[in-house]
Formats: sequence, C-alpha cells, structure tokens
Amino acid sequence: ETGVTQTPRHLVMGMTNKKSLKCEQHLGHNAMYWYKQSAKKPLELMFVYSLEERVENNSVPSRFSPECPNSSHLFLHLHTLQPEDSALYLCAPPDGEICTDTQYFGPGTRLTVL
Amino acid sequence: AQSVAQPEDQVNVAEGNPLTVKCTYSVSGNPYLFWYVQYPNRGLQFLLKYITGDNLVKGSYGFEAEFNKSQTSFHLKKPSALVSDSALYFCAGYNFNKFYFGSGTKLNVKP
Repeated sequence: ETGVTQTPRHLVMGMTNKKSLKCEQHLGHNAMYWYKQSAKKPLELMFVYSLEERVENNSVPSRFSPECPNSSHLFLHLHTLQPEDSALYLCAPPDGEICTDTQYFGPGTRLTVL
Repeated sequence: AQSVAQPEDQVNVAEGNPLTVKCTYSVSGNPYLFWYVQYPNRGLQFLLKYITGDNLVKGSYGFEAEFNKSQTSFHLKKPSALVSDSALYFCAGYNFNKFYFGSGTKLNVKP
C-alpha cells in the first residue's frame, strides 16, 4: 500500500472533451510527480511539484495542465487531447527520505482518447 | 544524454530456474538505481534500490540486484523463479532530482 490513490482508474474521452485526473496522498509528502507510461516506451516525467509549486515541466504540450491546490491533491486537467495521448498516467510522491527520493507510485489512470 | 537501457523486451524462464533481467545505465555522477515491478492493470511497485555500499542489494519477493560500476550495470536476479513473478519490470536511475526509466522488460515464468 503506497498511500496514493488515483481516480478515475479508467477514462475514455473524445478529442474535444475536457476531463481531469486526480491524485491524492495523505502521507505528508512535499513533492509529487506526474508520469506518462506509453506502451514499449520508458516512463516520461511530465511534471514535478515541490511544496505546491511546479518546478519542472518537461516540455509537455499545453493540452495537459497540472494543478496542485495543496500538498494532498494533484490534478491533471486534459483538453483537446490526441489519440497518441492514450496511456497510463501515474502519480508518485517521493518517500521523503533525505537524498533517496524513492518513488512509490499510485495505481494509475488508464486513459484512452478516441 | 542520460538514459537507462533494458536490452531485452522479454525474458522467458521456467519456474524454479534462476532469472536475470538486465539493465545498464548512462547517468552522470553516482546515481541511485532502482527496480520497479508492474503487475497487469496496476501501477509500479518499488522492489529495491542501490545507493551506496554493498554491491549486492536484496529487495522484496526474494529479488536482488547487483551493482557493477565498471560495466555500468544493475541486473535484477532471483535464484528460483515463480509463476507469480510474471510481470513487467522497470529499471531506473536517479540523479539531480530526476528519474530516468528504462523501457521495461516483460518477464514470463512458465510452469
């Protein structure tokens, strides 16, 4: 049990829809990460939030918009996505140990864009 | 460019036999190295990590990994495979607040 929940677990949306993915943790982590996992590709780091401020955006398209209202919740807002955005989206807080930052992942949201 | 490579898309092994899943890294400095496992329809689960010290690291479910600095490798091993070990395995390197993941290796353990 990682202490991280993600909802919904599965999402199917059209290219013109607007939806949001939610990640929740109550373990006191002060940083959170969004990853995209596509088939047969390495995990791609999308966003890093530290202390509720976005500190890194690895050139993610603007159709993905993260929001971190507090240290327990992280959202990924989606709009006008493309079929190639279909993937598993994973949320992960580090475990907080100094100099280790082991990552424990949430169960992920399986997104399908039609 | 920093990267982690898993040269095998798939590894097949018979139950009870030893298994090895390969990983090599090209991450600057002295990176921390990790192995994660992903079961079907689940997120990634942490298996083990190397930071410093003994080159042989023991982790969950009987897995271990050997760090080899000269070969820049961090292969995952288990002396006796179980059918329940069948899953997708990811190697990762961490340095300067960034994780670099390999593309994953699918492990198939047959009865």
